[in-house]
Amino acid sequence: KAGVTQTPRYLIKTRGQQVTLSCSPISGHRSVSWYQQTPGQGLQFLFEYFSETQRNKGNFPGRFSGRQFSNSRSEMNVSTLELGDSALYLCASSLSGDGEQYFGPGTRLTVT
Amino acid sequence: EDQVTQSPEALRLQEGESSSLNCSYTVSGLRGLFWYRQDPGKGPEFLFTLYSAGEEKEKERLKATLTKKESFLHITAPKPEDSATYLCAARLGGFKTIFGAGTRLFVKA
Repeated sequence: KAGVTQTPRYLIKTRGQQVTLSCSPISGHRSVSWYQQTPGQGLQFLFEYFSETQRNKGNFPGRFSGRQFSNSRSEMNVSTLELGDSALYLCASSLSGDGEQYFGPGTRLTVT
Repeated sequence: EDQVTQSPEALRLQEGESSSLNCSYTVSGLRGLFWYRQDPGKGPEFLFTLYSAGEEKEKERLKATLTKKESFLHITAPKPEDSATYLCAARLGGFKTIFGAGTRLFVKA
């Protein structure tokens, strides 16, 4: 069974630009969560989607947004990038959202 | 405020030297306690789920236990390949997960 895939794996952007990251969950999984991981803050919850609906959102500014499509694939968007947005962005999928999560390899975003 | 705290931050062991990692949590409405392993440059890999106090799970050299306030990950006779960062996470109501900062484990041959 194929695991969670994330594209792109690496991205370099300039301050003020916007970026879109993509996540394809494990087949049959309907819940997708996004996390930001930095050395100083660890893994921080961004948001969770299930059947195209956002069910919860972490404490991030409105510049961070996401969506989920009918095939459960998900995208997250960050607008007006800041230097502090440099991080590893991880996507995780699960069957229903209550059980264990399976993570993708992440997208390493560098903002210069 | 919901919080998950892991200790120690880093742990250095000799091969075969057993030890435990701690995860203490203060959350409202715990729906599950998860342990993950993360290798450098990779996403976390699921290890265990614990749902109620007194529950234990085992896998190879790892054993996870849960009380009402904390969870332990016991590592028996570790090998160098067990070197990684171990993360615990609390699943709350509303489909939100809070992660601890992790324990970096180094096992020397």
